[in-house]
Amino acid sequence: EAGVAQSPRYKIIEKRQSVAFWCNPISGHATLYWYQQILGQGPKLLIQFQNNGVVDDSQLPKDRFSAERLKGVDSTLKIQPAKLEDSAVYLCASSLDSGDSYNEQFFGPGTRLTVL
Amino acid sequence: AQSVTQPDIHITVSEGASLELRCNYSYGATPYLFWYVQSPGQGLQLLLKYFSGDTLVQGIKGFEAEFKRSQSSFNLRKPSVHWSDAAEYFCAVGARSNDYKLSFGAGTTVTVRA
Repeated sequence: EAGVAQSPRYKIIEKRQSVAFWCNPISGHATLYWYQQILGQGPKLLIQFQNNGVVDDSQLPKDRFSAERLKGVDSTLKIQPAKLEDSAVYLCASSLDSGDSYNEQFFGPGTRLTVL
Repeated sequence: AQSVTQPDIHITVSEGASLELRCNYSYGATPYLFWYVQSPGQGLQLLLKYFSGDTLVQGIKGFEAEFKRSQSSFNLRKPSVHWSDAAEYFCAVGARSNDYKLSFGAGTTVTVRA
């Protein structure tokens, strides 16, 4: 079974530029998560999708971050404009479903973003 | 709010020696507790989880963890470390009332010396 795919694996940009990350979850997984992992910290949830609807985006800096999951499969996370403090690894995870019962989250390898 | 503290930023252990990683949590209700491992360039992989029942849980790769409610702890152990166990380890807490959303600790980096 293929895992969660993410691209690109690495990205270097200058501040005020824009960047986009792509995630393809495990086939059949309804729930998709984007996490931000700053060096020396644990992952922090940015946004959670259930199919193509947003379940939780309370931690997403909406003035510069946006995310979409058209058709309920692939997802894109965008930052525009980027700031130095956005340098981090962006992890995508997916699970069968969310809600009343626990479903394990499976993580992709992440995209390492460096903002200069 | 739920939170997790991993007191040790970095641990160095000799190959074949035992390993224990500490995790303390803060949560008002019964927590769901997890340990993940992240190898360089890899995503997080679930080692084990505790929801209820036996407080000593077994996971993959020879790891185990013990839930101690009185100490609000969920420490991870391995009796004999292999060089391939060098990685970063994250403790996380979730709750059914919060749709099992995960709050992660800052992680502990494990270095294994020959």
